[in-house]
Amino acid sequence: GENVEQHPSTLSVQEGDSAVIKCTYSDSASNYFPWYKQELGKRPQLIIDIRSNVGEKKDQRIAVTLNKTAKHFSLHITETQPEDSAVYFCAASNPRYSTLTFGKGTMLLVSP
Amino acid sequence: DAGVIQSPRHEVTEMGQEVTLRCKPISGHNSLFWYRQTMMRGLELLIYFNNNVPIDDSGMPEDRFSAKMPNASFSTLKIQPSEPRDSAVYFCASGETRTGELFFGEGSRLTVL
Repeated sequence: GENVEQHPSTLSVQEGDSAVIKCTYSDSASNYFPWYKQELGKRPQLIIDIRSNVGEKKDQRIAVTLNKTAKHFSLHITETQPEDSAVYFCAASNPRYSTLTFGKGTMLLVSP
Repeated sequence: DAGVIQSPRHEVTEMGQEVTLRCKPISGHNSLFWYRQTMMRGLELLIYFNNNVPIDDSGMPEDRFSAKMPNASFSTLKIQPSEPRDSAVYFCASGETRTGELFFGEGSRLTVL
């Protein structure tokens, strides 16, 4: 089955800095790659996603890039703010099974 | 739509007791997932239903766990008998197979003493 690796497990940045979280996946058939943000005690919520026919997608301060050849994708957050502090999960979906396999998560801490 | 609705939000029980978690997916979604979240293991897929039919239950830890989806608007996850190592947050999520997007419920935090 699919295996998703996520790095780093924790990331501390100063407010205004950029943050980058990286993920790799194992199944070349996977074609959908969402990112979820989970605040403490809350549910994971979708913040951005990318499909395999696109190399990059941007939404305000958040961007995601995908390299299908290398089987890795990344989340970029620019001009970080304290409210960006949360756990971020990447995931990959295989169309054969329609299930999401999640990475272990990255705890992002943005200090004022 | 109110989103995915889960109950109870919190459950504290003693080892050996039966636990039933409930989920109401978003209307119109044809897929439903049960995930378990712990610090050690992260988000683990337990079981996946498509059009009310269980498709993949390979993540169900053992026979003590069972899940049902009798209709498109209701699913249950049952643990019998419960053990302390079952303590976790259990999330239900629903989505459309066509898009792949998942929407999570608020979760049920289970503590087994």
